[in-house]
Amino acid sequence: EAGVAQSPRYKIIEKRQSVAFWCNPISGHATLYWYQQILGQGPKLLIQFQNNGVVDDSQLPKDRFSAERLKGVDSTLKIQPAKLEDSAVYLCASSSGQRQETQYFGPGTRLLVL
Amino acid sequence: SQQGEEDPQALSIQEGENATMNCSYKTSINNLQWYRQNSGRGLVHLILIRSNEREKHSGRLRVTLDTSKKSSSLLITASRAADTASYFCATEAGGFKTIFGAGTRLFVKA
Repeated sequence: EAGVAQSPRYKIIEKRQSVAFWCNPISGHATLYWYQQILGQGPKLLIQFQNNGVVDDSQLPKDRFSAERLKGVDSTLKIQPAKLEDSAVYLCASSSGQRQETQYFGPGTRLLVL
Repeated sequence: SQQGEEDPQALSIQEGENATMNCSYKTSINNLQWYRQNSGRGLVHLILIRSNEREKHSGRLRVTLDTSKKSSSLLITASRAADTASYFCATEAGGFKTIFGAGTRLFVKA
């Protein structure tokens, strides 16, 4: 079974530029999560999708971050414009969608904003 | 704010010793999970314990949950150098939202 795929693995941009991350969850997984992990901290949930609907986006900075999950499969997370404090690892995870389910994480995208 | 807080923040032990790390949380939970993260990689699920369970084992891992104290512990027995990683507890409260703690950084010296 293929795992969660993310791209790119690394990205360096200047502040005020825009960037997009892509995630392909495990086949058949209904729930998809985007986390932001700042160095030395635990992952912080940005947005959670159930199929193509948003379950929780309470911690997503909506003035600059946006995410979509077209057709309930792949997802993209966009930052526009980026700030220095957005430098972090962006992790995508998926689960089968039932309660109390294990989340499977991708390798993450490491973003550096200069 | 983060629901779970791990203790200690960092732990250094010799290979073969046991490692114990603790997690405290603030609100009622449905379940608590432990994840491992090797440097520069994604998280790997270790074990899930439900709110009506008190102890669970998986190989060299032992997890306990005390809902009255809102705390959990992860014990790794006979540690190996390959266990060097960060360990996070994650709680699922109402609404299916998962909240991670800040993690314990474990270093196992060969």
